[in-house]
Amino acid sequence: EIVLTQSPGTLSLSPGERATLSCRASQSVSSTYLDWYQQKPGQAPRLLIYAASSRATGIPDRFSGSGSGTDFTLTISRLEPEDFAVYYCQQYGSSLWTFGQGTKVELK
Amino acid sequence: QVQLQESGPGLVKPSETLSLTCTVSGGSINSNTYYWGWIRQPPGKGLEWIGTIYSGGSAYYNPSLKSRLTMSVDTSNNQFSLKLNSVTAADTAVFYCARVVFGYYYMDVWGKGTTVTVSS
Repeated sequence: EIVLTQSPGTLSLSPGERATLSCRASQSVSSTYLDWYQQKPGQAPRLLIYAASSRATGIPDRFSGSGSGTDFTLTISRLEPEDFAVYYCQQYGSSLWTFGQGTKVELK
Repeated sequence: QVQLQESGPGLVKPSETLSLTCTVSGGSINSNTYYWGWIRQPPGKGLEWIGTIYSGGSAYYNPSLKSRLTMSVDTSNNQFSLKLNSVTAADTAVFYCARVVFGYYYMDVWGKGTTVTVSS
């Protein structure tokens, strides 16, 4: 089973700043099967990025994904007030899905 | 626009079976484009994949839950379900159902979630 480790656990930033979130896999993951979700308190997760770098429908272009192999990154170019939330990476492989433990982006 | 809605008891006693249903509206569950999944989130914790099922009945389970888990699809009612037996307090969580896109395997549509508490 592939384990995803996200870092940092918490990122304290101000609106307008750049956020860089990391997701590291315990073994190589196909870029096709690495995705990112955003979750706000009391809400269901929302798909942000699929296939490592493709934005989901309606997602602003300040969100971008990159990476390959075992190292993937979600970048928010300029934080808006509505971007403060928890972000999860997720992978699929061998008929199993796993999530990272999440990174909380909080207001500094 | 496809919507998913979870339903089921909010309280289950320890050692009993947790049963939840997800109703799909605005689209057919009998599609070769999508799978259907369950994810849970214990209070204050992260997301845990439970299992994924195809309308034809093939199911994939989290190995840590496999011995207690059964998933099924009811195409006539456009629903899919999960049953988790021998529950303990550790199974207390918000349970989400989601649509899984075939070929990419990401979850593009989610239900709002339902809270299940395991307690006597």
